[in-house]
Amino acid sequence: DAGVTQSPTHLIKTRGQQVTLRCSPKSGHDTVSWYQQALGQGPQFIFQYYEEEERQRGNFPDRFSGHQFPNYSSELNVNALLLGDSALYLCASSRGTGPNQPQHFGDGTRLSIL
Amino acid sequence: AQSVAQPEDQVNVAEGNPLTVKCTYSVSGNPYLFWYVQYPNRGLQFLLKYITGDNLVKGSYGFEAEFNKSQTSFHLKKPSALVSDSALYFCAVRDSPNQGGKLIFGQGTELSVKP
Repeated sequence: DAGVTQSPTHLIKTRGQQVTLRCSPKSGHDTVSWYQQALGQGPQFIFQYYEEEERQRGNFPDRFSGHQFPNYSSELNVNALLLGDSALYLCASSRGTGPNQPQHFGDGTRLSIL
Repeated sequence: AQSVAQPEDQVNVAEGNPLTVKCTYSVSGNPYLFWYVQYPNRGLQFLLKYITGDNLVKGSYGFEAEFNKSQTSFHLKKPSALVSDSALYFCAVRDSPNQGGKLIFGQGTELSVKP
């Protein structure tokens, strides 16, 4: 039973570029959430997708956008990259959006901005 | 606004001794609380959750957590620590419990277990 998978594992970009990160949820899960984890910090919620719609959004600018596909996989897009966007980006999936459901995390994509 | 605090950046324990990693929370309604563990260069692994019911919650790898409503705490415990328990531990609270919603994480506590 595959868990949450994310690609790529590492990525290096320069300021101003655009990046797309990908996530496949755990089998049986239909909800995907994205988090940003800066070095030495706890994860910060970016947004959550369910039924191909953004259901909730954290305090991130519009440069951060996403998409969920019919097979429940998801993408995170970041435009006009800034040095401060360097972080570990984590995808988490769950079965529905109910509060009882724990979120299961992938190993993340390490994004470095030069 | 909902929040969690982990007052200790680091906890050091000798192998075989009991361990406690502290967490306090602030919520406007009923709390939905979670503990996760993160090993180097890995994502977060779910350990346990408190939704309702018994104040002592048992989870993975021998960990348990004690919910205390009067002290608004949810401390993670293990009776006998292993060197392999050394990792970064995060407490989290669920926002908007009626709608699922995001997890709000603490800053993390680094647990170091020495042989």
